[in-house]
Amino acid sequence: GQQLNQSPQSMFIQEGEDVSMNCTSSSIFNTWLWYKQDPGEGPVLLIALYKAGELTSNGRLTAQFGITRKDSFLNISASIPSDVGIYFCAGPGTGGTSYGKLTFGQGTILTVHP
Amino acid sequence: EAEVAQSPRYKITEKSQAVAFWCDPISGHATLYWYRQILGQGPELLVQFQDESVVDDSQLPKDRFSAERLKGVDSTLKIQPAELGDSAMYLCASSPRGPAQISPLHFGNGTRLTVT
Repeated sequence: GQQLNQSPQSMFIQEGEDVSMNCTSSSIFNTWLWYKQDPGEGPVLLIALYKAGELTSNGRLTAQFGITRKDSFLNISASIPSDVGIYFCAGPGTGGTSYGKLTFGQGTILTVHP
Repeated sequence: EAEVAQSPRYKITEKSQAVAFWCDPISGHATLYWYRQILGQGPELLVQFQDESVVDDSQLPKDRFSAERLKGVDSTLKIQPAELGDSAMYLCASSPRGPAQISPLHFGNGTRLTVT
């Protein structure tokens, strides 16, 4: 099946720093989704990307849909303590039995020190 | 903002017992998903409903897991008998009609299952 690889697996940063994380796939995706999960809660959608090369912002978050359609990037500017959590990329399958089935990466754990 | 409701939030059960989880999706959302999330991993799809019909249950361990959405609204996921390896977070999600390409999922806060 389709697999998404996220890096880094974890990050420890100081409040105010910028953060970058990425997600790669061996398969092409037509949609990239970025979710954040706080401890003990379900994932919450942050940004959805629908077009190769697309750059979309949501407050301090910016995500890009890679030109090759096999990768995506998420940046967080001027991090704050509430940015702590696990960030997941996800993509729906594009063909065959995987069509429409959402696959998640393994997550990037973000810790922000005040 | 409307939410996906799940209950219970936490469940502790002994091995070989039966356990059930309930989900009420966002009103009007035709598609409902059950995901399992093992600690330290991303969610993995167990079953997908479109209205009351199962669209995909290829990853559901059917010897012990069952899911239903009888009236196309709320849904129940059951495990019988529970095994130690079933300990995980069980997440329900819903979306408006259509594939995940155009209708991103909205998740509930999950049920944390511990099997002892």
